[in-house]
Amino acid sequence: DAKTTQPTSMDCAEGRAANLPCNHSTISGNEYVYWYRQIHSQGPQYIIHGLKNNETNEMASLIITEDRKSSTLILPHATLRDTAVYYCIVSRRGVDGGATNKLIFGTGTLLAVQP
Amino acid sequence: DTGVSQDPRHKITKRGQNVTFRCDPISEHNRLYWYRQTLGQGPEFLTYFQNEAQLEKSRLLSDRFSAERPKGSFSTLEIQRTEQGDSAMYLCASSSSTGSYEQYFGPGTRLTVT
Repeated sequence: DAKTTQPTSMDCAEGRAANLPCNHSTISGNEYVYWYRQIHSQGPQYIIHGLKNNETNEMASLIITEDRKSSTLILPHATLRDTAVYYCIVSRRGVDGGATNKLIFGTGTLLAVQP
Repeated sequence: DTGVSQDPRHKITKRGQNVTFRCDPISEHNRLYWYRQTLGQGPEFLTYFQNEAQLEKSRLLSDRFSAERPKGSFSTLEIQRTEQGDSAMYLCASSSSTGSYEQYFGPGTRLTVT
């Protein structure tokens, strides 16, 4: 699975958009980009995933560049509860076309939302 | 939806003792995963099951570690002859093998080996 590179930490003002970058320059054609976050002392939480197209759900938006070598997770209106470590993960789908069989986490980006 | 549950939440043991952790996945999920997380690091994959079959094991899973999922529902992770280096958070996750892409994580079991 491709490696990802993320900044160690970022700050964001409450109510503003948080834009979290991720580089995955060695991504291959059948690999998806997943984002998870981990709030202190909790298990990781799925946020969003994508292959080529930009994606949006109730939590966030995912922007993937045309060459797929990088992506940005956008939290449109960050709140204090969004303070967490955000992980960008690149992984293939399972051989049966379904869920990936494992997630390879890096060290992620610690997003600190400031009041 | 009761989510993924893990028991115990915290375990303190002395070096050389055996410990066992339990994970109860979301009931309709047929896949179950174990991860380990040490301070300041992201979770590391250990192993996963599809139903009762253990399909992949990481090289991190030494001979002292064993995981089971005998009836395809709950799973146990046992560590024999614990070492101080085993101190970590042990996370369990579950997912469906088709359709959904998310892994749902439990709160973890924090193991401290003294």
